[in-house]
Parts: sequence; structure tokens; C-alpha cells
Amino acid sequence: ILNVEQSPQSLHVQEGDSTNFTCSFPSSNFYALHWYRWETAKSPEALFVMTLNGDEKKKGRISATLNTKEGYSYLYIKGSQPEDSATYLCAFMSGNTDKLIFGTGTRLQVFP
Amino acid sequence: GAVVSQHPSWVICKSGTSVKIECRSLDFQATTMFWYRQFPKQSLMLMATSNEGSKATYEQGVEKDKFLINHASLTLSTLTVTSAHPEDSSFYICSARDLRVQSQYFGPGTRLTVL
Repeated sequence: ILNVEQSPQSLHVQEGDSTNFTCSFPSSNFYALHWYRWETAKSPEALFVMTLNGDEKKKGRISATLNTKEGYSYLYIKGSQPEDSATYLCAFMSGNTDKLIFGTGTRLQVFP
Repeated sequence: GAVVSQHPSWVICKSGTSVKIECRSLDFQATTMFWYRQFPKQSLMLMATSNEGSKATYEQGVEKDKFLINHASLTLSTLTVTSAHPEDSSFYICSARDLRVQSQYFGPGTRLTVL
């Protein structure tokens, strides 16, 4: 059974703080790691698709790194804003399928 | 980005009735769509992969006669929960794969409550 874990489960930070959270996934038969941002009552929004070991991707104040050999990815948010409040999901895709295996998400709350 | 719609957003039904949920890709064609279910405090769990013009592929433990999937066109997949029971109450969400960018785009989900 493929297991994807995210930590922490939830996070409360003050506006302006930088934060990061972790996604752990199987290190064998890796194909891609997806990050999504999911606001309440909206569709999950694709942030990054990461495929190469050592990959770093950036979108505004949000960035992500990938280590496929040890099976983890970090998502960083610099200078958090209230509009960053959402659940951040990661999803693992193995090499012989196009299915996404999701973690339970990290729920981020940014207070003004 | 690509847009996927899902209808209805929420539905309440009586036990024993069937409920149909639609998933549409609005600005791209999707040969493959995916149906997920999420129970409280759990992750999105893949139920089935829907392929246009062919039978859906169901994940282990998902009853195909209970959850009927039809993918009749490149922009529409439907999930019908047949003879719904309270234990089917859950959040159902679809995604559509855009081959141009190798990403999956999600609908906003459907909250199903079976009384």
C-alpha cells in the first residue's frame, strides 16, 4: 500500500511569518509529486508538478523542493498572508500509473 | 488555468434513491477523468478512472455496480451513486487530465448526504 504523509496536520501563523511543511512519499518507482492548494468551497488549484530529484520550483512567495531518493518534498511560504490560508495537499504519482495518491493535507491558517 | 465544473455542489437524498453527479471540463478535452471520495479527516481516495468511450477502471474495494461511471464525451463524465445509503454520505470530487500540460484539474466537489 502506497502511503503519503503530510505534516503538520494544521498550522496557525501570524501574517508575515514564513512557514514550511513536509510531504513524505515512497522513494521507489517515483514519477512525479504534485502540490495543490485547496481553499474552502473551491476547486483544488495545482501549484507544482515536480519530477526531478533536487528540483526546486517557485510561484510568487511559494516554493517547493524535492528529494526523490529519500522520499520527501518541502513547501515553503515566505511572508504568509491571510489569503494563503488554505489546505495544501501533496500527491504522489508512481512510474507505472497516472493515479495520484494524496496525503491528508496541511491546513494553514494565517492570522492578520 | 483549465476549468472543471461539477454539479450539483451538494445534494441531500433519501436512502434508496440514486444520485447522479456530473463532471465537465469546460475549456479542454479530457480523455481521462478521475473520481475521488473524501471522508472527514481523511485524504482524497481515488475511486475510479473514467476513460472516454470505454469502461471505467475501479479501485479495489469500490463496487462498480454501486458507483456507475459514464464518460460519454471528451468533456463529460458522470458518477451515479445507486441505491444510496447513509454510509455513502461523503464528499465526491472529480478531476480531468489535460494531456497538454500533464496536470489534473479538479472540480469543486459534491457534498452528498443520504438520510
